[in-house]
Amino acid sequence: QKEVEQNSGPLSVPEGAIASLNCTYSDRVSQSFFWYRQYSGKSPELIMSIYSNGDKEDGRFTAQLNKASQYVSLLIRDSQPSDSATYLCAVNLDSNYQLIWGAGTKLIIKP
Amino acid sequence: NAGVMQNPRHLVRRRGQEARLRCSPMKGHSHVYWYRQLPEEGLKFMVYLQKENIIDESGMPKERFSAEFPKEGPSILRIQQVVRGDSAAYFCASSPPYSQETQYFGPGTRLLVL
Repeated sequence: QKEVEQNSGPLSVPEGAIASLNCTYSDRVSQSFFWYRQYSGKSPELIMSIYSNGDKEDGRFTAQLNKASQYVSLLIRDSQPSDSATYLCAVNLDSNYQLIWGAGTKLIIKP
Repeated sequence: NAGVMQNPRHLVRRRGQEARLRCSPMKGHSHVYWYRQLPEEGLKFMVYLQKENIIDESGMPKERFSAEFPKEGPSILRIQQVVRGDSAAYFCASSPPYSQETQYFGPGTRLLVL
């Protein structure tokens, strides 16, 4: 059973601090990794994708991938109240279209 | 470039009626995925389609549910004889042929069964 695990939270972070969201996956052949943000009552929105070990930065967001340890993280710098949402981790297997989804971590940024 | 479009955005049905949900993928996208999400729960994969083909329907209930993606027109998710447990948000996502794993979501259809 291929799994993607996330802490459901809620994770509470003060405004301006760094929010760190983690995701672990069970299948070693996973090749593509995605972070989606979902506001309450809205659809998931793609934030970041990462394919290689290391860090990938996009504005205030940094995705970190460690394939040896089978985890992928999302860091949000200078957290804003508008970052409050559920963050979904999704993992894709090599040669397989399907994404395996985590249940999501609810993030709350406190002003 | 318009995003993934879904309609209706909200649908109310009585038990036993049929629900038809439509999804138009982003321009140039040839892959469509349907997901269901219950309140406060994660996304559940239902079905993956390409034009005129169902590639994987392993997540779709065997009875009452069907999906299609015709050569012309939107993808349709059809739920026959709806029950209260079908009440959920149904999301469609599409992906381009050169990056099938990168999925972009539509706004969803909220189905309420009375």
